[in-house]
Amino acid sequence: GAVVSQHPSRVICKSGTSVKIECRSLDFQATTMFWYRQFPKQSLMLMATSNEGSKATYEQGVEKDKFLINHASLTLSTLTVTSAHPEDSSFYICSARDLDRGTNYGYTFGSGTRLTVV
Amino acid sequence: RKEVEQDPGPFNVPEGATVAFNCTYSNSASQSFFWYRQDCRKEPKLLMSVYSSGNEDGRFTAQLNRASQYISLLIRDSKLSDSATYLCVVGTGTASKLTFGTGTRLQVTL
Repeated sequence: GAVVSQHPSRVICKSGTSVKIECRSLDFQATTMFWYRQFPKQSLMLMATSNEGSKATYEQGVEKDKFLINHASLTLSTLTVTSAHPEDSSFYICSARDLDRGTNYGYTFGSGTRLTVV
Repeated sequence: RKEVEQDPGPFNVPEGATVAFNCTYSNSASQSFFWYRQDCRKEPKLLMSVYSSGNEDGRFTAQLNRASQYISLLIRDSKLSDSATYLCVVGTGTASKLTFGTGTRLQVTL
């Protein structure tokens, strides 16, 4: 149980284009999902908290107009990297928690999306 | 000071060894604590939650000391397959926002 599916797993795009990443909770409903970014040899950094039916909450320093988040249903959140640049190349990971399992169960992560902007 | 601090390692140990990782956190209001394992270029996977009473899962034992704001993970009888980066993760707030340590790299050798 508590499976989170993330697509695509890998994407290479040209500078200036936009890329959409999907995150789905397959066997539970997630009112909240989290988007992280991880640069090589660094820790996961929370970018934003995605809330179903309302606006996402962005961490300090993360541009909301560049990283568009949509959480239109209880099982799907999307992150769109707009006008991507090489410095946006990173590993993007989403996560969610099945609250029915209790707050100490931990979060399940998607398999991540490795974005390379050329 | 980082919110969650870990020794990055690497820890190079032979098979069968016992190895311990430590982690400190700065936010005393933190409410949930976890150890995650991350293999190279993969997503983190939950290893275990951490409780004040301590908890054990097979060869893995985790401990939380709230007074010292300190979390530990002990791995006994290390296997080659234990080689990975171990992330100390702390949850804070009603939405349990997670903060990750930079991870401790473990390499188990023959």
